[in-house]
Amino acid sequence: SAVISQKPSRDICQRGTSLTIQCQVDSQVTMMFWYRQQPGQSLTLIATANQGSEATYESGFVIDKFPISRPNLTFSTLTVSNMSPEDSSIYLCSVSSYGYTFGSGTRLTVV
Amino acid sequence: GQQVMQIPQYQHVQEGEDFTTYCNSSTTLSNIQWYKQRPGGHPVFLIQLVKSGEVKKQKRLTFQFGEAKKNSSLHITATQTTDVGTYFCAGWAGGGADGLTFGKGTHLIIQP
Repeated sequence: SAVISQKPSRDICQRGTSLTIQCQVDSQVTMMFWYRQQPGQSLTLIATANQGSEATYESGFVIDKFPISRPNLTFSTLTVSNMSPEDSSIYLCSVSSYGYTFGSGTRLTVV
Repeated sequence: GQQVMQIPQYQHVQEGEDFTTYCNSSTTLSNIQWYKQRPGGHPVFLIQLVKSGEVKKQKRLTFQFGEAKKNSSLHITATQTTDVGTYFCAGWAGGGADGLTFGKGTHLIIQP
């Protein structure tokens, strides 16, 4: 299965600022997925990132708030923009092979 | 949209007891997957079920997919402290659907 390197692993950010999360995969994948997980809660899909096209966002998530880049088949970034404390969460990228492989997550705290 | 319900939310067991978590989807699934997340970790893929009525085993873990492909269960026999964590089911609707829809998870707490 694929190996994903995700960074940063954690960050504490001031409200109103932005944070970009990076995911690097050790193999080429068509789709990458970005999830959000509140501590102790389930995972919610934010968007699907396809190389060469705009990301597809789930209901409740918009591009202005969570812009995504997918410059090639092994890399993607998610930016959390104009952050508020409500954005404090764990953000995970994942790829689909046989089952989904997840990055180690980015624990974001907005103060 | 698609919803996946999972129960129970929490389960306390004595070490050595059995454990079962159940998932029910609002729609027929193309497949269902199970993940385990250790405290502080990320979800790790356990298994995928595709066929109606499918049963798969991994050592002490038994996974079932319902005949209607809308429900599933994970059963752990004789739990061990290493089984601690949160178990998530995740459904994939297939077709144009991309990402998985996760259940809320069952937090397994084991008392030695």
